[in-house]
Amino acid sequence: SQLAEENSWALSVHEGESVTVNCSYKTSITALQWYRQKSGKGPAQLILIRSNEREKRNGRLRATLDTSSQSSSLSITATRCEDTAVYFCATDASSSWQLIFGSGTQLTVMP
Amino acid sequence: GGIITQTPKFLIGQEGQKLTLKCQQNFNHDTMYWYRQDSGKGLRLIYYSITENDLQKGDLSEGYDASREKKSSFSLTVTSAQKNEMAVFLCASSGGQISNERLFFGHGTKLSVL
Repeated sequence: SQLAEENSWALSVHEGESVTVNCSYKTSITALQWYRQKSGKGPAQLILIRSNEREKRNGRLRATLDTSSQSSSLSITATRCEDTAVYFCATDASSSWQLIFGSGTQLTVMP
Repeated sequence: GGIITQTPKFLIGQEGQKLTLKCQQNFNHDTMYWYRQDSGKGLRLIYYSITENDLQKGDLSEGYDASREKKSSFSLTVTSAQKNEMAVFLCASSGGQISNERLFFGHGTKLSVL
């Protein structure tokens, strides 16, 4: 089974709404990263949050980390159609050189 | 800024064929990675390399070979293509340990096996 896993396979919202993608992981980590992959492209990092951090922001994006429940969330406010993508969480759970990705959540933002 | 270039973009092979995918980066990064992505699924690590001539197996290394002859390039070989196999192979690089670094990805090589 996956070391990191998003909790929803797919989400859809209308432009302007807020949305949250959740992720759970199985072992202790040094850091957790959120990536976004648009169709036909490679993933691009959005946020890196370390195990001693509880929250990190990047513009309209906010990531939280709860090490006691081994979970993280990525919230996007004021969504835009261009936010449509697959969102992955990824952890360094197995070693400091390997980034293990979850299966991803497909987010669709409708006009 | 840097860029990761993967060639070819599309690769069509025959069952049993040996196929090589290439990746170049100009970030001057030490660490490079090959991931496989099946349709609708997450990324699975095949091989990574933390420096020139170093090779480390990921969870999905069986059926693949890799080569890191130069710091800037990392090749992946499918040793025997499987019939009807279809996947995207993503190359990435990072400056160091991934607890502190982001991965930069190429656009991928899409493999189809007839």
